[in-house]
Amino acid sequence: GQNIDQPTEMTATEGAIVQINCTYQTSGFNGLFWYQQHAGEAPTFLSYNVLDGLEEKGRFSSFLSRSKGYSYLLLKELQMKDSASYLCAVRDQMTGGSYIPTFGRGTSLIVHP
Amino acid sequence: DSGVTQTPKHLITATGQRVTLRCSPRSGDLSVYWYQQSLDQGLQFLIQYYNGEERAKGNILERFSAQQFPDLHSELNLSSLELGDSALYFCASSDDRGAAEAFFGQGTRLTVV
Repeated sequence: GQNIDQPTEMTATEGAIVQINCTYQTSGFNGLFWYQQHAGEAPTFLSYNVLDGLEEKGRFSSFLSRSKGYSYLLLKELQMKDSASYLCAVRDQMTGGSYIPTFGRGTSLIVHP
Repeated sequence: DSGVTQTPKHLITATGQRVTLRCSPRSGDLSVYWYQQSLDQGLQFLIQYYNGEERAKGNILERFSAQQFPDLHSELNLSSLELGDSALYFCASSDDRGAAEAFFGQGTRLTVV
């Protein structure tokens, strides 16, 4: 199993940069995901890291350090529509060889003008 | 649109009843995951099916069961419903051949009264 920690809530200003951290403990790491979820809607995929380093995708970047059990999601040029919950998920190998994404509780990001 | 279809979108039922939630995965995806999301909880993994067979089990109650049919659609059966079962139930699918992300359906909001 694993333990995934991320801040419960963050606030930021439109146009700014925000970094959402995620720490995890796992026994069979096989990748880390970030998802965005607006209230009452489906999570949508943002990024995936399996090797150490930074993955950049437009305004969003995600970083992974496997030795530290640490990841962050960086959001640049914040827009009001970025107000959402950001879910960190670790894909872990379960008994039987299956890989299951296990989610943290999410970080609620509030972007204000 | 993720390509994952869940029905119904909303369901209101009484305690003690039984309901069935349905999920059609993305075309070509063999793996289906079911998650429960309550108000104050993150996404809790319930169960995974791969090509018709149960592959992994998470925190799924004995009152709950699932199956995946030859056409790869899946059903989650919830019985002897309790008030605490009220939640959003998400289905996700992936091709599980090293592809990273799971794609989520829009969810079924279950309200037990």
